[in-house]
Amino acid sequence: NAGVTQTPKFQVLKTGQSMTLQCAQDMNHNSMYWYRQDPGMGLRLIYYSASEGTTDKGEVPNGYNVSRLNKREFSLRLESAAPSQTSVYFCASRGWGTGELFFGEGSRLTVL
Amino acid sequence: AQSVTQLDSQVPVFEEAPVELRCNYSSSVSVYLFWYVQYPNQGLQLLLKYLSGSTLVKGINGFEAEFNKSQTSFHLRKPSVHISDTAEYFCAVSGVTNKLVFGAGTILRVKS
Repeated sequence: NAGVTQTPKFQVLKTGQSMTLQCAQDMNHNSMYWYRQDPGMGLRLIYYSASEGTTDKGEVPNGYNVSRLNKREFSLRLESAAPSQTSVYFCASRGWGTGELFFGEGSRLTVL
Repeated sequence: AQSVTQLDSQVPVFEEAPVELRCNYSSSVSVYLFWYVQYPNQGLQLLLKYLSGSTLVKGINGFEAEFNKSQTSFHLRKPSVHISDTAEYFCAVSGVTNKLVFGAGTILRVKS
C-alpha cells in the first residue's frame, strides 16, 4: 500500500546544477501537487495538476517546472538550482471533490 | 483567494491539560477546512476535515474542531494532551478550485 512515493529522499546540489524530483501515486487520483516547506512558513504550493495533461502555477512557481507524465506521475524540475531553493519538498495527491490530500514522505534538498 | 492565519507559532502545554490551536481563514466563497499533523521528519497526515453539515468535527487521536462561519475560524481542541501529541499542526483551506492553502503551522510542545 505505497500511496504517494517521492524520490530521492535527500539531495545535495551545487548552485546552477539541475535535478528532477519524481513523484508517483497509486490511488488513481486525478489531482497532484508539489509543495515546499520552510521553517515558519508552512507549506507553499509550487505547482499543481488538476488532471492528466494540465498544470497550473501555485504561490511560488519561479525557478521550477513540472511535468504531468501520466495519471500516476508528476515530476518537479529545478533547471538551475539556487540556495533559496534549499527546502523540504512534498508531493501530494487528491481524489475528486473535496477530499483530503495524501502526502509523500518528503524530499530534503540542499543547494550549496 | 483563500488565506489562512494560525495565530500561535508555538503552544507549550503540560501533559493532561487542554489545548486549543487557533486558525482563522479568509475566503470569498464556501470553504472546506482541514487540520493536518506532522510528526518530526515525517509527512503530513489528516487529523480532521470540515466539508459541510455539523460545525463540530471530530478527528483522530481525540482532537476536534469547530467551524465558525461568522468568525471565519476553525480552532482545533483536545481536552487532555499527551506527550505523543508533540508535533506541528497545520490548518488548511480549500475553495471551489483544487488548491489547498496552508497556514504557517503551530508547534505544540507537551511537557511532562
